[in-house]
Amino acid sequence: GAGVSQSPSNKVTEKGKDVELRCDPISGHTALYWYRQRLGQGLEFLIYFQGNSAPDKSGLPSDRFSAERTGESVSTLTIQRTQQEDSAVYLCASSLDSRIAGLTGTQYFGPGTRLTVL
Amino acid sequence: AQSVTQPDIHITVSEGASLELRCNYSYGATPYLFWYVQSPGQGLQLLLKYFSGDTLVQGIKGFEAEFKRSQSSFNLRKPSVHWSDAAEYFCAVAFLSGGYNKLIFGAGTRLAVHP
Repeated sequence: GAGVSQSPSNKVTEKGKDVELRCDPISGHTALYWYRQRLGQGLEFLIYFQGNSAPDKSGLPSDRFSAERTGESVSTLTIQRTQQEDSAVYLCASSLDSRIAGLTGTQYFGPGTRLTVL
Repeated sequence: AQSVTQPDIHITVSEGASLELRCNYSYGATPYLFWYVQSPGQGLQLLLKYFSGDTLVQGIKGFEAEFKRSQSSFNLRKPSVHWSDAAEYFCAVAFLSGGYNKLIFGAGTRLAVHP
């Protein structure tokens, strides 16, 4: 597709359940990022992928959060045993290989998944 | 540590009025700066970016921003606001971390436009 897509757009779940959020990056973008945006706040970095490896997982808030990526394509963010504080919009972004493009590798964002944990 | 501050949480302007959204950054080296806009229910759209060169950069939708190193600022401006500009605006600074591009965002400024 032309842009970054994410699914589902909205997800309501009960506390304690697991959820999976999906991100399809722009074709040819080898770098992929996940962010969390809590209500009224800025974006918190969660994890960065280069290809299917994740050199930086420093933003994952707990071991309940994990992510994987298939090659240079789809990524899935999984939250296990969801808690109410996990309620947020989860945004995915992709860019050209930052090792080549460096800081000029602009990140392009998807529309996000709004997660509500009851 | 790198950080971005957007001092104004909410701003309200009248349609047709001029706009300036403030952004201050903290970064030891030459910053790479961005402004993104987020409309309700939408992802972030890139408005403009500064990497080097001319300190006044033009973006989409009639926006511009000026980089002032002495003030560590990158304020966003528009001479005449349209009702469709109502949205949340995020300033961000990028730096290389472990060989890749990491973005640090401000908390955002929510813009309301009165008719």
